[in-house]
Amino acid sequence: EVRLLESGGGFVQPGGSLRLSCAASGFTFSNYVMTWVRQAPGKGLEWVTAISPDGGDTNYADSVKGRFTISRDNSKNTLYLQMNTLRAEDTAVYYCANIGGSGSMRDYWGQGTLVTVSS
Amino acid sequence: QAVVTQEPSLTVSPGGTVILTCGSSTGAVTSGQWPYWFQQKPGQAPRTLIYDTSYKHSWTPARFSGSLLGGKAALTLAGAQPEDEAEYYCLLSYAGARVFGGGTKLTVL
Repeated sequence: EVRLLESGGGFVQPGGSLRLSCAASGFTFSNYVMTWVRQAPGKGLEWVTAISPDGGDTNYADSVKGRFTISRDNSKNTLYLQMNTLRAEDTAVYYCANIGGSGSMRDYWGQGTLVTVSS
Repeated sequence: QAVVTQEPSLTVSPGGTVILTCGSSTGAVTSGQWPYWFQQKPGQAPRTLIYDTSYKHSWTPARFSGSLLGGKAALTLAGAQPEDEAEYYCLLSYAGARVFGGGTKLTVL
């Protein structure tokens, strides 16, 4: 059974930093593109960033470029999102998902972790 | 950054057929943009219905299908059920980065 479990969300002041983690199980993590998607309260989904299976290729939405960094540790089956210089508009539920690549165990989503940026 | 457009809301009768569309500000949507469709119900994480334009997962009900139609990606629901009432999002690829549409709120009434 594929499981994606996000953690690390919480309350942070504007300008602060936070690191999210996504623990993966049930599939060969190192073979899959991994993605972070966020959803602000009452709003739609926003694609944030994705990383290739070996970690060598990353892409970012313009809204987070230069502030967020995606990374992965294939030895720990874990995906990360380092979020710096946080703004109020970064407040959202952050989901990890193995969408956007190939493989038979693709296109699963975690349950999300809430990040609140407020003073 | 490209803008992906969806109908804000649609209504379908139980047992009826409805087509949701997904357009791109850059022109016609192509299969090379690997269109995805997701379903999200209130309080739940999204669920992937369709990938790569028209491919279904094992959990995708047979009444859902994906295609390209008139320069857009399309999600057809044939034989709507009450449990299909949800928000539907498409996702398109733009040279590595991806962009979601604003979502379509589907009411089954």
